[in-house]
Amino acid sequence: KNQVEQSPQSLIILEGKNCTLQCNYTVSPFSNLRWYKQDTGRGPVSLTIMTFSENTKSNGRYTATLDADTKQSSLHITASQLSDSASYICVVSDRGSTLGRLYFGRGTQLTVWP
Amino acid sequence: EADIYQTPRYLVIGTGKKITLECSQTMGHDKMYWYQQDPGMELHLIHYSYGVNSTEKGDLSSESTVSRIRTEHFPLTLESARPSHTSQYLCASSGDTQYFGPGTRLTVL
Repeated sequence: KNQVEQSPQSLIILEGKNCTLQCNYTVSPFSNLRWYKQDTGRGPVSLTIMTFSENTKSNGRYTATLDADTKQSSLHITASQLSDSASYICVVSDRGSTLGRLYFGRGTQLTVWP
Repeated sequence: EADIYQTPRYLVIGTGKKITLECSQTMGHDKMYWYQQDPGMELHLIHYSYGVNSTEKGDLSSESTVSRIRTEHFPLTLESARPSHTSQYLCASSGDTQYFGPGTRLTVL
Protein backbone atom coordinates (compact mmCIF):
# COMPACT_ATOMS: atom_id res chain seq x y z
CA LYS A 1 0.00 0.00 0.00
CA ASN A 2 1.37 3.36 -1.01
CA GLN A 3 1.81 5.56 2.02
CA VAL A 4 3.50 8.73 3.20
CA GLU A 5 4.36 9.02 6.88
CA GLN A 6 5.58 12.22 8.50
CA SER A 7 7.22 12.86 11.84
CA PRO A 8 6.95 14.45 14.23
CA GLN A 9 3.22 15.12 14.18
CA SER A 10 3.83 18.47 15.87
CA LEU A 11 6.86 20.49 16.89
CA ILE A 12 7.43 23.63 18.94
CA ILE A 13 10.68 25.56 18.62
CA LEU A 14 11.97 28.98 19.63
CA GLU A 15 12.48 31.69 17.08
CA GLY A 16 15.93 31.56 15.53
CA LYS A 17 16.41 27.83 16.10
CA ASN A 18 16.78 25.21 13.38
CA CYS A 19 14.57 22.16 12.94
CA THR A 20 14.26 19.09 10.72
CA LEU A 21 11.05 17.41 9.61
CA GLN A 22 10.97 13.84 8.38
CA CYS A 23 9.04 12.06 5.64
CA ASN A 24 9.12 8.31 4.90
CA TYR A 25 7.25 6.88 1.95
CA THR A 26 6.46 3.55 0.34
CA VAL A 27 5.12 4.94 -2.95
CA SER A 28 6.23 2.99 -5.99
CA PRO A 29 7.03 3.63 -8.75
CA PHE A 30 8.41 6.96 -7.57
CA SER A 31 8.23 10.11 -9.67
CA ASN A 32 8.90 13.06 -7.41
CA LEU A 33 8.59 14.33 -3.85
CA ARG A 34 7.32 17.76 -2.87
CA TRP A 35 7.23 19.69 0.34
CA TYR A 36 4.38 22.12 0.85
CA LYS A 37 3.77 24.76 3.52
CA GLN A 38 0.15 25.23 4.56
CA ASP A 39 -0.82 28.16 6.74
CA THR A 40 -3.94 27.72 8.84
CA GLY A 41 -7.06 28.14 6.73
CA ARG A 42 -5.08 28.47 3.49
CA GLY A 43 -4.14 26.22 0.60
CA PRO A 44 -0.71 24.52 0.49
CA VAL A 45 2.14 26.39 -1.18
CA SER A 46 4.98 24.49 -2.84
CA LEU A 47 8.42 24.83 -1.23
CA THR A 48 10.51 22.28 -3.14
CA ILE A 49 10.13 19.48 -5.63
CA MET A 50 12.72 16.73 -6.11
CA THR A 51 12.99 13.95 -8.64
CA PHE A 52 14.71 10.59 -8.24
CA SER A 53 18.15 11.90 -9.20
CA GLU A 54 18.17 14.90 -6.85
CA ASN A 55 19.58 14.59 -3.35
CA THR A 56 19.09 18.08 -2.05
CA LYS A 57 17.28 21.26 -3.00
CA SER A 58 17.12 24.61 -1.26
CA ASN A 59 14.60 27.41 -1.24
CA GLY A 60 15.86 30.22 0.98
CA ARG A 61 15.95 28.96 4.57
CA TYR A 62 14.32 25.67 3.54
CA THR A 63 16.51 22.74 2.46
CA ALA A 64 15.01 19.43 1.43
CA THR A 65 16.93 16.17 1.09
CA LEU A 66 15.95 12.96 -0.60
CA ASP A 67 17.31 9.44 -0.25
CA ALA A 68 15.48 7.45 -2.89
CA ASP A 69 17.15 4.20 -1.79
CA THR A 70 15.78 4.35 1.74
CA LYS A 71 12.69 6.28 0.64
CA GLN A 72 13.25 9.05 3.09
CA SER A 73 13.15 12.83 2.83
CA SER A 74 13.76 15.63 5.27
CA LEU A 75 12.98 19.32 5.34
CA HIS A 76 15.45 21.45 7.28
CA ILE A 77 14.48 24.96 8.34
CA THR A 78 17.26 27.26 9.47
CA ALA A 79 16.98 30.35 11.64
CA SER A 80 13.26 29.88 12.14
CA GLN A 81 10.90 32.84 12.08
CA LEU A 82 7.45 33.33 13.57
CA SER A 83 6.03 33.21 10.04
CA ASP A 84 7.31 29.64 9.67
CA SER A 85 4.50 28.50 11.96
CA ALA A 86 2.42 26.29 9.67
CA SER A 87 1.76 22.71 8.64
CA TYR A 88 4.44 21.18 6.41
CA ILE A 89 3.15 18.50 4.09
CA CYS A 90 5.18 15.87 2.25
CA VAL A 91 3.63 14.78 -1.06
CA VAL A 92 4.90 11.92 -3.23
CA SER A 93 3.91 11.36 -6.84
CA ASP A 94 4.00 8.03 -8.64
CA ARG A 95 4.59 7.24 -12.27
CA GLY A 96 1.82 4.68 -12.39
CA SER A 97 -0.73 6.73 -14.23
CA THR A 98 -1.16 9.68 -16.55
CA LEU A 99 -2.52 11.61 -13.62
CA GLY A 100 0.73 11.24 -11.69
CA ARG A 101 -1.15 10.26 -8.58
CA LEU A 102 -0.26 12.26 -5.47
CA TYR A 103 0.04 10.72 -2.01
CA PHE A 104 -0.22 13.16 0.88
CA GLY A 105 1.24 12.92 4.36
CA ARG A 106 -0.74 14.26 7.30
CA GLY A 107 1.77 17.02 7.83
CA THR A 108 3.94 18.25 10.68
CA GLN A 109 2.44 21.16 12.59
CA LEU A 110 5.31 23.54 13.38
CA THR A 111 4.89 26.31 15.94
CA VAL A 112 7.60 28.93 16.35
CA TRP A 113 7.54 30.81 19.64
CA PRO A 114 9.18 34.21 20.19
CA GLU B 1 1.79 33.37 -5.91
CA ALA B 2 -0.39 31.06 -8.00
CA ASP B 3 -3.35 32.48 -9.91
CA ILE B 4 -6.02 30.14 -8.62
CA TYR B 5 -9.06 31.45 -6.85
CA GLN B 6 -11.85 29.99 -4.75
CA THR B 7 -15.10 31.51 -3.60
CA PRO B 8 -16.56 31.73 -1.12
CA ARG B 9 -13.73 31.47 1.40
CA TYR B 10 -16.17 30.64 4.21
CA LEU B 11 -19.72 29.31 3.99
CA VAL B 12 -22.17 28.42 6.75
CA ILE B 13 -25.36 26.88 5.47
CA GLY B 14 -28.32 24.83 6.64
CA THR B 15 -28.97 21.16 5.93
CA GLY B 16 -30.65 20.43 2.62
CA LYS B 17 -29.43 23.51 0.78
CA LYS B 18 -27.80 23.32 -2.63
CA ILE B 19 -24.36 24.90 -2.81
CA THR B 20 -21.73 25.51 -5.47
CA LEU B 21 -18.10 26.12 -4.63
CA GLU B 22 -16.30 28.10 -7.31
CA CYS B 23 -12.75 27.55 -8.52
CA SER B 24 -10.97 29.45 -11.27
CA GLN B 25 -7.40 29.50 -12.54
CA THR B 26 -5.76 31.81 -15.04
CA MET B 27 -2.68 29.70 -15.78
CA GLY B 28 -4.23 27.75 -18.64
CA HIS B 29 -3.75 24.42 -16.87
CA ASP B 30 -5.62 21.43 -18.28
CA LYS B 31 -5.51 19.40 -15.05
CA MET B 32 -7.64 20.52 -12.12
CA TYR B 33 -8.51 18.86 -8.82
CA TRP B 34 -10.78 19.07 -5.79
CA TYR B 35 -9.54 17.89 -2.39
CA GLN B 36 -11.30 17.56 0.93
CA GLN B 37 -9.31 18.16 4.12
CA ASP B 38 -10.42 17.81 7.72
CA PRO B 39 -8.39 19.57 10.47
CA GLY B 40 -5.05 17.88 11.10
CA MET B 41 -5.67 15.31 8.42
CA GLU B 42 -4.25 14.68 4.97
CA LEU B 43 -5.84 15.92 1.77
CA HIS B 44 -8.15 13.47 0.02
CA LEU B 45 -8.77 13.70 -3.71
CA ILE B 46 -12.52 13.76 -4.47
CA HIS B 47 -12.61 14.90 -8.14
CA TYR B 48 -10.21 15.64 -10.97
CA SER B 49 -10.31 16.75 -14.57
CA TYR B 50 -7.86 16.37 -17.46
CA GLY B 51 -9.51 19.12 -19.50
CA VAL B 52 -12.77 20.47 -20.83
CA ASN B 53 -15.63 17.97 -20.60
CA SER B 54 -13.41 15.54 -18.66
CA THR B 55 -14.25 14.76 -15.02
CA GLU B 56 -13.41 11.77 -12.84
CA LYS B 57 -14.07 10.74 -9.26
CA GLY B 58 -11.11 10.62 -6.92
CA ASP B 59 -10.16 8.27 -4.11
CA LEU B 60 -12.56 9.54 -1.49
CA SER B 61 -16.21 8.92 -2.19
CA SER B 62 -18.09 12.19 -2.31
CA GLU B 63 -21.71 13.11 -2.88
CA SER B 64 -20.57 16.23 -4.70
CA THR B 65 -20.44 16.66 -8.47
CA VAL B 66 -18.21 18.75 -10.70
CA SER B 67 -18.26 20.17 -14.21
CA ARG B 68 -15.60 21.43 -16.60
CA ILE B 69 -17.17 23.48 -19.35
CA ARG B 70 -14.28 25.93 -19.58
CA THR B 71 -10.58 25.31 -19.03
CA GLU B 72 -10.29 27.94 -16.33
CA HIS B 73 -13.40 27.01 -14.34
CA PHE B 74 -14.02 23.88 -12.21
CA PRO B 75 -17.02 24.32 -9.89
CA LEU B 76 -18.10 21.76 -7.27
CA THR B 77 -21.77 21.30 -6.39
CA LEU B 78 -23.55 19.71 -3.46
CA GLU B 79 -27.23 19.18 -4.27
CA SER B 80 -28.29 18.74 -0.64
CA ALA B 81 -25.78 19.72 2.01
CA ARG B 82 -25.51 17.68 5.22
CA PRO B 83 -23.49 18.17 8.43
CA SER B 84 -21.17 15.35 7.30
CA HIS B 85 -20.10 17.62 4.43
CA THR B 86 -18.55 20.08 6.88
CA SER B 87 -14.89 20.32 5.87
CA GLN B 88 -12.34 22.39 4.00
CA TYR B 89 -12.43 22.05 0.22
CA LEU B 90 -9.26 22.83 -1.73
CA CYS B 91 -9.10 23.32 -5.47
CA ALA B 92 -5.84 22.84 -7.36
CA SER B 93 -4.49 22.92 -10.88
CA SER B 94 -1.25 21.60 -12.26
CA GLY B 95 1.30 22.30 -14.91
CA ASP B 96 4.85 21.44 -13.83
CA THR B 97 3.68 21.43 -10.22
CA GLN B 98 0.40 21.56 -8.41
CA TYR B 99 -0.91 24.93 -7.27
CA PHE B 100 -3.61 25.19 -4.64
CA GLY B 101 -6.32 27.74 -4.12
CA PRO B 102 -6.93 29.27 -0.68
CA GLY B 103 -9.74 26.82 0.11
CA THR B 104 -13.39 27.06 1.11
CA ARG B 105 -14.27 26.32 4.71
CA LEU B 106 -17.78 24.81 4.61
CA THR B 107 -19.93 24.38 7.70
CA VAL B 108 -23.31 22.69 7.38
CA LEU B 109 -25.60 23.14 10.35
